[in-house]
Amino acid sequence: QVQLVESGGGVVQPGRPLGLSCAASGFSFSHYGMHWVRQAPGKGLEWVALIWYDGNDKYYADSVKGRFSISRDNSRNTLYLQMNSLRVEDTAVYYCARDDGYGRSDFWGQGSLVTVSS
Amino acid sequence: QSALTQPPSASGCRGQSVTISCTGTSSDVGGYKYVSWYQQHPGKAPKLIIYEVSKRPSGVPDRFSGSKSGNTASLTVSGLQAEDEADYYCNSYAGSNKVVFGGGTKLTVL
Repeated sequence: QVQLVESGGGVVQPGRPLGLSCAASGFSFSHYGMHWVRQAPGKGLEWVALIWYDGNDKYYADSVKGRFSISRDNSRNTLYLQMNSLRVEDTAVYYCARDDGYGRSDFWGQGSLVTVSS
Repeated sequence: QSALTQPPSASGCRGQSVTISCTGTSSDVGGYKYVSWYQQHPGKAPKLIIYEVSKRPSGVPDRFSGSKSGNTASLTVSGLQAEDEADYYCNSYAGSNKVVFGGGTKLTVL
């Protein structure tokens, strides 16, 4: 069965960096694009980034462009999100999700909470 | 990228039907057939329930249906059940490998 498990969340000060990981299993990871989607406390879902199956193309929401970097290691079946220059408004649960084509996310992880606070 | 517009709340009695709208623009909802809907219970990850406007993944009850007209997509839940009480989100492909979500609708089953 498809499993996505995020890790790396925690409390970080504004301006500091933090990295998230998403371990994938139960499917051919290298065949699928992957998303990061976040949800601020009590708020809706916000798409953050997409990486193609081979890692050669990456796309970002305007709100994180230039600060966040999505990457993957297909040999380790792992997706990453490097977040730099964090802001209070980046506080959210970050989900990784499998892309099944044109933005459709058919499987999601359980999420990892990132809190940006001084 | 502006969020798609959904009503903040919707409600219906058990056994009845409710429809949730999702309004975008010709650059997202109106321009592509790639609208999806997700159900999210409190403290849980979202679950895909509709994709490509009206298709259901395996295991999703046929009480859930989707449609689209112009720049507005809709999710209809028929025969409401207590377990349908949740938050519902639409999303759409927005071109250039970008994705946009709706603000979410809290569905209450009375």
